[in-house]
Amino acid sequence: DQQVKQNSPSLSVQEGRISILNCDYTNSMFDYFLWYKKYPAEGPTFLISISSIKDKNEDGRFTVFLNKSAKHLSLHIVPSQPGDSAVYFCAAKWSARQLTFGSGTQLTVLP
Amino acid sequence: DGGITQSPKYLFRKEGQNVTLSCEQNLNHDAMYWYRQDPGQGLRLIYYSQIVNDFQKGDIAEGYSVSREKKESFPLTVTSAQKNPTAFYLCASSIVGGRENTIYFGEGSWLTVV
Repeated sequence: DQQVKQNSPSLSVQEGRISILNCDYTNSMFDYFLWYKKYPAEGPTFLISISSIKDKNEDGRFTVFLNKSAKHLSLHIVPSQPGDSAVYFCAAKWSARQLTFGSGTQLTVLP
Repeated sequence: DGGITQSPKYLFRKEGQNVTLSCEQNLNHDAMYWYRQDPGQGLRLIYYSQIVNDFQKGDIAEGYSVSREKKESFPLTVTSAQKNPTAFYLCASSIVGGRENTIYFGEGSWLTVV
C-alpha cells in the first residue's frame, strides 16, 4: 500500500518556465513533508520541507504548497534551470517515525 | 568535512556470495538507515538503527543483515538469501527524535550480481 504517491514518473519543462511536481498521500497522520533531489549515481539531497501547520514554504526558486484537505503537496520551481534536471522525491513522516518516500519524478529542463 | 561515506561505490558479486557494504558517518548522528532503490521505484527502507547495538527491520529486510557496533558505522550485508540483490543502495543518517529532522544520504553503492 503506497502511502506517498508521485503519479507522474517524468516531466519536461522549458528553461525559464515553471516546473510543478505533484505528490499525493493517504495517511492523514503525516505531519511533516520533505522534497529531495537526486542526480544519477548520487544520493538524494534535501531540498525543502513543510510542516502540516503551514500551507506554503518558500526558499529561493523553490516553493512547496500543502493542501491538507486534498492530501496533496506540490513543489514549484521558478524559473526552471537546466541544472534542476534530476529525480525529485517527496517524502512524508509523522511524529518521529521513519520517512516514507514516493517513487520519484524525473524532471528534465530543456534549454 | 562532515558527511556520510559509502564504499565501495561499485561492487560485483557472484550468485551465492555474501557481500558487505560499508557506511561511515562523522555527523554525530544517532540514527542510521539503509535504503534500496530500483529503477522506477522509490526508496525502500531495509534496516535502521537509532542507537548503538540496536537495529530494526524496515520494509524489505529479508536477505539482508546489519550491525551497529559503533555510532559511526552501519555496515549492510547482502546475503545469498536475497533473491534480487542488484540495485542501488543508499545509507543515510539523522538525529533521533523531533518531527522536523531531515535525513542525510551518502552517495550510494551500486551492487550488481553476475
